[in-house]
Amino acid sequence: ETGVTQTPRHLVMGMTNKKSLKCEQHLGHNAMYWYKQSAKKPLELMFVYSLEERVENNSVPSRFSPECPNSSHLFLHLHTLQPEDSALYLCASSFGYEQFFGPGTRLTVL
Amino acid sequence: GQQVMQIPQYQHVQEGEDFTTYCNSSTTLSNIQWYKQRPGGHPVFLIQLVKSGEVKKQKRLTFQFGEAKKNSSLHITATQTTDVGTYFCADPSSGSARQLTFGSGTQLTVLP
Repeated sequence: ETGVTQTPRHLVMGMTNKKSLKCEQHLGHNAMYWYKQSAKKPLELMFVYSLEERVENNSVPSRFSPECPNSSHLFLHLHTLQPEDSALYLCASSFGYEQFFGPGTRLTVL
Repeated sequence: GQQVMQIPQYQHVQEGEDFTTYCNSSTTLSNIQWYKQRPGGHPVFLIQLVKSGEVKKQKRLTFQFGEAKKNSSLHITATQTTDVGTYFCADPSSGSARQLTFGSGTQLTVLP
Protein backbone atom coordinates (compact mmCIF):
# COMPACT_ATOMS: atom_id res chain seq x y z
CA GLU A 1 0.00 0.00 0.00
CA THR A 2 1.46 3.34 -1.05
CA GLY A 3 -1.28 5.55 0.33
CA VAL A 4 -2.65 6.30 -3.13
CA THR A 5 -6.01 4.71 -3.91
CA GLN A 6 -7.79 4.42 -7.23
CA THR A 7 -11.35 3.48 -8.07
CA PRO A 8 -12.62 1.57 -9.84
CA ARG A 9 -9.89 -1.05 -10.22
CA HIS A 10 -11.48 -2.42 -13.37
CA LEU A 11 -13.78 -0.71 -15.86
CA VAL A 12 -15.40 -1.91 -19.06
CA MET A 13 -17.16 0.71 -21.11
CA GLY A 14 -18.63 1.21 -24.53
CA MET A 15 -17.45 3.91 -26.85
CA THR A 16 -20.52 6.06 -26.19
CA ASN A 17 -20.30 5.89 -22.39
CA LYS A 18 -19.13 8.57 -20.01
CA LYS A 19 -17.23 7.45 -16.95
CA SER A 20 -14.80 8.88 -14.43
CA LEU A 21 -11.72 7.49 -12.74
CA LYS A 22 -10.97 8.60 -9.22
CA CYS A 23 -7.69 8.91 -7.37
CA GLU A 24 -7.19 9.85 -3.75
CA GLN A 25 -4.11 10.41 -1.59
CA HIS A 26 -3.80 11.40 2.03
CA LEU A 27 -0.03 11.58 2.12
CA GLY A 28 0.11 15.36 2.22
CA HIS A 29 1.52 15.44 -1.29
CA ASN A 30 1.16 18.54 -3.39
CA ALA A 31 1.30 17.10 -6.89
CA MET A 32 -0.82 14.47 -8.61
CA TYR A 33 -0.44 12.77 -11.96
CA TRP A 34 -2.24 10.61 -14.48
CA TYR A 35 -0.27 8.09 -16.50
CA LYS A 36 -1.34 5.69 -19.22
CA GLN A 37 0.35 2.30 -19.48
CA SER A 38 -0.34 0.30 -22.64
CA ALA A 39 1.10 -3.03 -23.60
CA LYS A 40 4.46 -2.67 -25.29
CA LYS A 41 4.61 1.10 -24.72
CA PRO A 42 6.38 3.12 -22.06
CA LEU A 43 4.51 4.76 -19.24
CA GLU A 44 3.05 7.91 -20.72
CA LEU A 45 2.47 11.00 -18.60
CA MET A 46 -0.95 12.46 -19.37
CA PHE A 47 -1.49 15.24 -16.85
CA VAL A 48 0.22 16.84 -13.89
CA TYR A 49 -1.40 19.00 -11.23
CA SER A 50 0.83 20.73 -8.74
CA LEU A 51 0.77 23.89 -6.65
CA GLU A 52 2.69 25.67 -9.32
CA GLU A 53 1.10 24.49 -12.51
CA ARG A 54 -1.09 22.16 -14.50
CA VAL A 55 0.77 20.40 -17.29
CA GLU A 56 -0.84 18.55 -20.13
CA ASN A 57 0.76 16.18 -22.58
CA ASN A 58 -0.30 17.71 -25.89
CA SER A 59 -0.71 14.30 -27.45
CA VAL A 60 -3.54 13.34 -25.08
CA PRO A 61 -6.90 13.46 -26.89
CA SER A 62 -9.62 15.79 -25.63
CA ARG A 63 -11.83 12.81 -24.79
CA PHE A 64 -9.73 12.62 -21.61
CA SER A 65 -10.50 15.45 -19.21
CA PRO A 66 -8.77 15.79 -15.83
CA GLU A 67 -10.13 17.48 -12.74
CA CYS A 68 -8.29 18.24 -9.53
CA PRO A 69 -10.68 19.81 -6.99
CA ASN A 70 -8.07 19.79 -4.21
CA SER A 71 -4.62 18.46 -3.47
CA SER A 72 -5.95 15.09 -2.30
CA HIS A 73 -8.28 14.18 -5.14
CA LEU A 74 -7.84 13.72 -8.84
CA PHE A 75 -10.32 12.62 -11.46
CA LEU A 76 -10.06 11.58 -15.06
CA HIS A 77 -13.29 12.05 -16.97
CA LEU A 78 -13.73 9.81 -19.99
CA HIS A 79 -16.13 10.25 -22.89
CA THR A 80 -16.50 8.73 -26.34
CA LEU A 81 -13.37 6.64 -25.92
CA GLN A 82 -11.87 4.42 -28.59
CA PRO A 83 -10.77 0.79 -28.28
CA GLU A 84 -7.14 1.90 -28.47
CA ASP A 85 -7.69 3.76 -25.19
CA SER A 86 -7.84 0.41 -23.41
CA ALA A 87 -4.94 0.44 -20.97
CA LEU A 88 -3.92 0.62 -17.33
CA TYR A 89 -4.42 4.15 -16.00
CA LEU A 90 -2.16 4.94 -13.12
CA CYS A 91 -2.44 7.81 -10.70
CA ALA A 92 0.58 9.02 -8.76
CA SER A 93 1.34 11.69 -6.23
CA SER A 94 4.46 13.34 -4.90
CA PHE A 95 5.82 15.95 -2.56
CA GLY A 96 9.46 15.79 -3.57
CA TYR A 97 11.01 13.87 -6.43
CA GLU A 98 9.72 10.41 -5.51
CA GLN A 99 6.40 9.52 -7.07
CA PHE A 100 3.99 7.17 -5.32
CA PHE A 101 1.73 5.22 -7.62
CA GLY A 102 -1.74 3.87 -7.03
CA PRO A 103 -2.76 0.36 -8.08
CA GLY A 104 -4.27 1.58 -11.34
CA THR A 105 -7.58 1.22 -13.15
CA ARG A 106 -7.64 -1.42 -15.87
CA LEU A 107 -9.83 0.10 -18.57
CA THR A 108 -11.32 -1.85 -21.45
CA VAL A 109 -13.17 0.02 -24.19
CA LEU A 110 -15.44 -2.13 -26.31
CA GLY B 1 10.74 15.51 -26.56
CA GLN B 2 13.60 14.08 -24.64
CA GLN B 3 13.77 10.31 -24.66
CA VAL B 4 15.55 7.75 -22.61
CA MET B 5 16.35 4.48 -24.34
CA GLN B 6 16.42 1.39 -22.21
CA ILE B 7 17.89 -2.00 -23.07
CA PRO B 8 17.34 -4.85 -23.14
CA GLN B 9 13.58 -5.04 -23.47
CA TYR B 10 13.45 -8.54 -22.04
CA GLN B 11 15.89 -10.61 -20.00
CA HIS B 12 15.57 -14.18 -18.81
CA VAL B 13 18.09 -15.34 -16.25
CA GLN B 14 18.56 -18.41 -14.15
CA GLU B 15 18.15 -17.80 -10.45
CA GLY B 16 21.53 -16.85 -9.03
CA GLU B 17 22.76 -15.21 -12.22
CA ASP B 18 23.41 -11.49 -12.45
CA PHE B 19 21.27 -9.02 -14.38
CA THR B 20 21.91 -5.55 -15.77
CA THR B 21 19.64 -3.04 -17.48
CA TYR B 22 20.91 0.10 -19.18
CA CYS B 23 19.38 3.48 -19.77
CA ASN B 24 20.80 5.93 -22.32
CA SER B 25 20.00 9.50 -23.22
CA SER B 26 21.23 11.64 -26.09
CA THR B 27 21.25 14.68 -23.82
CA THR B 28 22.68 15.33 -20.39
CA LEU B 29 20.36 14.38 -17.57
CA SER B 30 20.11 16.42 -14.40
CA ASN B 31 19.29 13.26 -12.50
CA ILE B 32 17.69 9.88 -13.08
CA GLN B 33 15.25 7.70 -11.20
CA TRP B 34 14.65 3.96 -11.17
CA TYR B 35 11.34 2.19 -10.55
CA LYS B 36 10.30 -1.45 -10.30
CA GLN B 37 6.91 -2.80 -11.32
CA ARG B 38 6.00 -6.33 -10.26
CA PRO B 39 3.68 -8.31 -12.57
CA GLY B 40 0.15 -7.03 -12.04
CA GLY B 41 1.44 -4.26 -9.81
CA HIS B 42 2.31 -0.61 -10.03
CA PRO B 43 5.68 1.15 -10.30
CA VAL B 44 7.55 1.55 -7.04
CA PHE B 45 10.34 4.06 -6.62
CA LEU B 46 13.76 2.54 -6.03
CA ILE B 47 16.27 5.36 -6.14
CA GLN B 48 17.33 8.70 -7.60
CA LEU B 49 20.86 9.41 -8.80
CA VAL B 50 22.04 12.98 -9.06
CA LYS B 51 25.82 13.24 -9.19
CA SER B 52 28.09 12.46 -12.10
CA GLY B 53 29.65 9.00 -11.64
CA GLU B 54 27.45 8.27 -8.65
CA VAL B 55 27.15 4.68 -7.47
CA LYS B 56 24.55 3.60 -4.94
CA LYS B 57 23.80 0.18 -3.52
CA GLN B 58 20.67 -1.32 -2.07
CA LYS B 59 21.49 -4.86 -0.91
CA ARG B 60 21.99 -6.79 -4.17
CA LEU B 61 21.08 -3.82 -6.38
CA THR B 62 23.78 -1.46 -7.66
CA PHE B 63 22.83 1.74 -9.44
CA GLN B 64 25.28 3.81 -11.47
CA PHE B 65 25.08 7.21 -13.11
CA GLY B 66 27.53 7.83 -15.92
CA GLU B 67 30.31 10.39 -15.73
CA ALA B 68 28.71 12.39 -18.52
CA LYS B 69 25.26 11.98 -16.94
CA LYS B 70 23.92 10.52 -20.17
CA ASN B 71 23.54 6.94 -19.07
CA SER B 72 22.67 4.86 -16.07
CA SER B 73 22.56 1.22 -15.15
CA LEU B 74 20.95 -1.07 -12.62
CA HIS B 75 22.79 -4.26 -11.76
CA ILE B 76 21.34 -7.07 -9.68
CA THR B 77 23.75 -9.59 -8.22
CA ALA B 78 22.63 -13.20 -7.76
CA THR B 79 19.03 -12.74 -8.84
CA GLN B 80 16.19 -14.24 -6.87
CA THR B 81 12.63 -15.00 -7.93
CA THR B 82 11.50 -11.97 -5.96
CA ASP B 83 13.42 -9.78 -8.43
CA VAL B 84 10.92 -10.62 -11.18
CA GLY B 85 9.30 -7.55 -12.70
CA THR B 86 9.89 -4.66 -15.04
CA TYR B 87 12.56 -2.12 -14.22
CA PHE B 88 12.13 1.40 -15.53
CA CYS B 89 14.47 4.32 -15.60
CA ALA B 90 12.84 7.73 -15.57
CA ASP B 91 14.13 11.14 -16.53
CA PRO B 92 12.75 14.00 -14.48
CA SER B 93 14.52 16.54 -16.64
CA SER B 94 11.77 17.05 -19.19
CA GLY B 95 10.09 20.38 -18.71
CA SER B 96 9.32 21.07 -15.08
CA ALA B 97 10.79 18.94 -12.34
CA ARG B 98 7.42 17.32 -11.86
CA GLN B 99 7.41 15.57 -15.21
CA LEU B 100 8.91 12.13 -15.62
CA THR B 101 9.79 10.58 -18.95
CA PHE B 102 9.97 6.83 -18.50
CA GLY B 103 12.14 4.44 -20.44
CA SER B 104 10.47 1.50 -22.11
CA GLY B 105 11.50 -0.81 -19.28
CA THR B 106 13.34 -4.11 -19.01
CA GLN B 107 11.18 -7.07 -18.14
CA LEU B 108 13.13 -9.50 -15.99
CA THR B 109 12.17 -13.14 -15.68
CA VAL B 110 14.02 -15.27 -13.17
CA LEU B 111 13.89 -18.99 -13.77
CA PRO B 112 14.06 -21.13 -10.61
